[in-house]
Amino acid sequence: GGIITQTPKFLIGQEGQKLTLKCQQNFNHDTMYWYRQDSGKGLRLIYYSITENDLQKGDLSEGYDASREKKSSFSLTVTSAQKNEMAVFLCASSIGEGNSDYTFGSGTRLLVI
Amino acid sequence: GDSVTQTEGLVTLTEGLPVMLNCTYQTIYSNPFLFWYVQHLNESPRLLLKSFTDNKRTEHQGFHATLHKSSSSFHLQKSSAQLSDSALYYCALSAGMGYKLTFGTGTSLLVDP
Repeated sequence: GGIITQTPKFLIGQEGQKLTLKCQQNFNHDTMYWYRQDSGKGLRLIYYSITENDLQKGDLSEGYDASREKKSSFSLTVTSAQKNEMAVFLCASSIGEGNSDYTFGSGTRLLVI
Repeated sequence: GDSVTQTEGLVTLTEGLPVMLNCTYQTIYSNPFLFWYVQHLNESPRLLLKSFTDNKRTEHQGFHATLHKSSSSFHLQKSSAQLSDSALYYCALSAGMGYKLTFGTGTSLLVDP
């Protein structure tokens, strides 16, 4: 079976800092996603990528950049961390068709001090 | 754009009682795919069940849901709640090009003994 690995699991940053989160999958899935999870707000899409070198903005893309240089990896950058920000970032992958399941990584927990 | 509404933020009930978590959706596309994901504490979301067939009951692990396009609903039900059902439940929608899921805000289910 495959796996999605997110690194780091925990990330503490300072206000204004640029922070990068990484995601790797070995399912050979075409499509990868970054979601932000906040209590009471559900899962909100930041960026997704249909294939290598493709990037599509989600509803929450402002303040973030993404990169898909290989099919197996998808990174997310917080361009300027906001003070007291606390959230969980979830990476997911799928084969990309309408009825296809997502497989999620275990998440990166971000705290900005 | 697409949207998913889960009206209950928290549902608390006693073990053995029936469960019903509400989900309605909005999309301009006539053939949406609807999903329920479940997230237990300190775990990632995982697929519980999915459907794209109008008025057909879908079942998995004791839970069931029926997509009703006439009312744009996909409510999750179970006849008898168990303690292990305590988790966060997300309803999600895929429509149009189908590359991305739109999630609701989630419903926390807490089952008491």
